[in-house]
Amino acid sequence: AQTVTQSQPEMSVQEAETVTLSCTYDTSESDYYLFWYKQPPSRQMILVIRQEAYKQQNATENRFSVNFQKAAKSFSLKISDSQLGDAAMYFCAYRSSVTGNTPLVFGKGTRLSVIA
Amino acid sequence: KAGVTQTPRYLIKTRGQQVTLSCSPISGHRSVSWYQQTPGQGLQFLFEYFSETQRNKGNFPGRFSGRQFSNSRSEMNVSTLELGDSALYLCASSLGTLTGLEAFFGQGTRLTVV
Repeated sequence: AQTVTQSQPEMSVQEAETVTLSCTYDTSESDYYLFWYKQPPSRQMILVIRQEAYKQQNATENRFSVNFQKAAKSFSLKISDSQLGDAAMYFCAYRSSVTGNTPLVFGKGTRLSVIA
Repeated sequence: KAGVTQTPRYLIKTRGQQVTLSCSPISGHRSVSWYQQTPGQGLQFLFEYFSETQRNKGNFPGRFSGRQFSNSRSEMNVSTLELGDSALYLCASSLGTLTGLEAFFGQGTRLTVV
């Protein structure tokens, strides 16, 4: 079974600075997707960024980018120019792409605080 | 395009009662998955429905059940509620195909069992 580990329960960053959230995962599969979700106090899980395992290039979405190291099974999220609205729980998630019906496997999350 | 809608947003129930939660997915999405979120266990997969059929099931007791209707709307039912069932229940919709695995979540239903 796949597992996802987020080793940082809490992180903080100064506004306008850069922060990196860590995620490692364990799988024997070669085809899969990785995601970062943000859960603000409103509770809604918002998709931040996705990465297909077969793609060498790291995904980017505006201020959000990932460092995907397939051999090391590492998938970190970098947030640049941090804003107060970035404060939230961040979850790393894995999903097999062998079939279309495998569930998301989540890490325990990292709570990010942004200091003004 | 409307997002994923979950109703109700909050529920308070008594031990032993049953409860039904509803989820309307994004238009065109045929897959609906349910997750339970608690501080201790994190996010755990309950089950997934695709075109009215349960395609996958997590490790939860039979008190947790679900169904999906022809319009892709899904309901989740918990019978004989226990205090430990208090949680945030999240619904996620996706295309459910190998090229459409991105899941989009609703705001959740906060269930409190007293």
